Amino acid sequence: AQSVAQPEDQVNVAEGNPLTVKCTYSVSGNPYLFWYVQYPNRGLQFLLKYITGDNLVKGSYGFEAEFNKSQTSFHLKKPSALVSDSALYFCAVSVSGGYQKVTFGTGTKLQVIP
Amino acid sequence: KAGVTQTPRYLIKTRGQQVTLSCSPISGHRSVSWYQQTPGQGLQFLFEYFSETQRNKGNFPGRFSGRQFSNSRSEMNVSTLELGDSALYLCASSNGGQSYEQYFGPGTRLTVT
Repeated sequence: AQSVAQPEDQVNVAEGNPLTVKCTYSVSGNPYLFWYVQYPNRGLQFLLKYITGDNLVKGSYGFEAEFNKSQTSFHLKKPSALVSDSALYFCAVSVSGGYQKVTFGTGTKLQVIP
Repeated sequence: KAGVTQTPRYLIKTRGQQVTLSCSPISGHRSVSWYQQTPGQGLQFLFEYFSETQRNKGNFPGRFSGRQFSNSRSEMNVSTLELGDSALYLCASSNGGQSYEQYFGPGTRLTVT
């Protein structure tokens, strides 16, 4: 069975500081990894994904994520946080091969403080 | 291109009733997935339909069912509603399935009293 852990329910960061939202995963096989963001009263929006290749993935709105196979992690990062980045962030994992289910983490609330 | 639309946006139902939610995917997308979002459980996968066939299913009781029409529009039905069914129900569409980028609708907020 596959699983995703987002160990922090909430992350607070000052505007202009770098931010990191943590994610670890467990799958049997090669992982597909995703980050989605949810703004208040909205559905989720795709940020980025890792399938294969370069371990550093760049996505929307200046976000990037680093795939670390040995630590089974896929942390989301941004060099300089904006107040508008405040939202709920979900990490998700699937596995390569066929039409696989995606498992989402429980989400991390990011609060960027002005 | 129009995004994923869900109707209705809000619903209030009584225990024991049934409810049907609707989802219209992005034009050209044949995969539609449904999720239940609650504060305690996060995002739980219900089922995925592709070209009118259920391709994947989550761990929900049989009270939860769905279908997809030839135009890729999808409906989800919950029968014999329970208080615990109160949640935000999200629909997502994609080109190929859940392992592809998914586009989510705004959700239907269901409250069971």
